[in-house]
Amino acid sequence: DAEITQSPRHKITETGRQVTLACHQTWNHNNMFWYRQDLGHGLRLIHYSYGVQDTNKGEVSDGYSVSRSNTEDLPLTLESAASSQTSVYFCASSEYRKGNTEAFFGQGTRLTVV
Amino acid sequence: GENVEQHPSTLSVQEGDSAVIKCTYSDSASNYFPWYKQELGKGPQLIIDIRSNVGEKKDQRIAVTLNKTAKHFSLHITETQPEDSAVYFCAASAGSASKIIFGSGTRLSIRP
Repeated sequence: DAEITQSPRHKITETGRQVTLACHQTWNHNNMFWYRQDLGHGLRLIHYSYGVQDTNKGEVSDGYSVSRSNTEDLPLTLESAASSQTSVYFCASSEYRKGNTEAFFGQGTRLTVV
Repeated sequence: GENVEQHPSTLSVQEGDSAVIKCTYSDSASNYFPWYKQELGKGPQLIIDIRSNVGEKKDQRIAVTLNKTAKHFSLHITETQPEDSAVYFCAASAGSASKIIFGSGTRLSIRP
């Protein structure tokens, strides 16, 4: 069965370090998204991609970057981790089919910056 | 850009009663409105969606309504059960190859 997986599930890192969160999907979807989830803010869009070599900034993109070298993967990099980036991160993929754009989410990565 | 507001942030209802969650959106180009359910420790999962050319859609105990003029859409859960306890998110999208913007979520608790 097709799926979307994130790794690691949990990560503790120190302030100032570079961190990369992995996202891999086997749906063959063109669209991929990274969200962060914080209490009271719901799911906020960090970056998104509509296909290989395409990346776009979301509403909370400062301090984050992504790259899309193939259809399956959209790694999220924190250039210099800050305590404000402690959060739960979700990756999602979607495809526009028959007028609908159902997004499938990974299980999430809980990142703690100390 | 698109902004989606969701109310209430928390909701507690007696088992068997109905629950209603409301959302508003800002971008008139939005034409696809999904609802997601997130259980503890898991990623959100789609439970129902509605497109802008439809006013209401029902799937067993769950229904969604859309008022495109007022830019409002709502989730209705009837005959609530303990397994309905979760966080619910509304979202809006402008369709083809478009980002999905989420509301802030509603934590629904079902009292036995």
